[in-house]
Amino acid sequence: QVQLQESGPGLVKPSETLSLTCAVSGYSISTTYYWGWIRQPPGKGLEWIGSIYYSGSTFYNPSLKSRVTISVDTSKNQFSLKLSSVTAADTALYYCARQSGSGTVVRNWFDLWGQGTLVTVSS
Amino acid sequence: QSVLTQPPSVSGAPGQRVTVSCSGSSSNIGAGYDIHWYQQLPGTAPKLLIYGNGNRPSGVPDRFSGSKSGTSASLAITGLQPEDEADYYCQSYDSSLSGYVFGTGTKVAVL
Repeated sequence: QVQLQESGPGLVKPSETLSLTCAVSGYSISTTYYWGWIRQPPGKGLEWIGSIYYSGSTFYNPSLKSRVTISVDTSKNQFSLKLSSVTAADTALYYCARQSGSGTVVRNWFDLWGQGTLVTVSS
Repeated sequence: QSVLTQPPSVSGAPGQRVTVSCSGSSSNIGAGYDIHWYQQLPGTAPKLLIYGNGNRPSGVPDRFSGSKSGTSASLAITGLQPEDEADYYCQSYDSSLSGYVFGTGTKVAVL
């Protein structure tokens, strides 16, 4: 079955760049679908960070856009997140997810999620 | 700060019917964008519960149902079960923010 697995450092220093990778198994990332990143601060709600199409087309949460870069590596069947100039407010569980839907991307939902990885921003 | 507002908590006894509301605006639900619902059991990743306003993915019990009207949407759980105790989130697209938005989340407690 299709599985998503996040990986990356669990601790990042303030002002540095957070880097995470989402490895996809059981499905070719270059077939179709958008792929997204969502985060959840401890004890709080969900926030969409951004999404990428297998071709490399991206769109980001405007509130994070200046600091976010999402890329895809079809040869490794994975996609990645970089968030620069992090602060304690970026401490969260970071999830990668597959998007699905009919019609345009604005109608998408997140049908498969990784287990999430906790990233703490602290010196 | 989310643009989709949900009640912080709802509760019910086993077997009862509970509803979770999701209130939006003319730039998201009211603009015709679909609502999707997720269930997050304690310590786990969110799981898709309802998509496209009222459709259930394979494997989701039919006691879960969704509806949308105007600038609001609702998730109903009929015949509440102990295993339904979880956090529930609505999600849509917002044209003013040009991106996906999630609701504030609702904790459903089974008494």
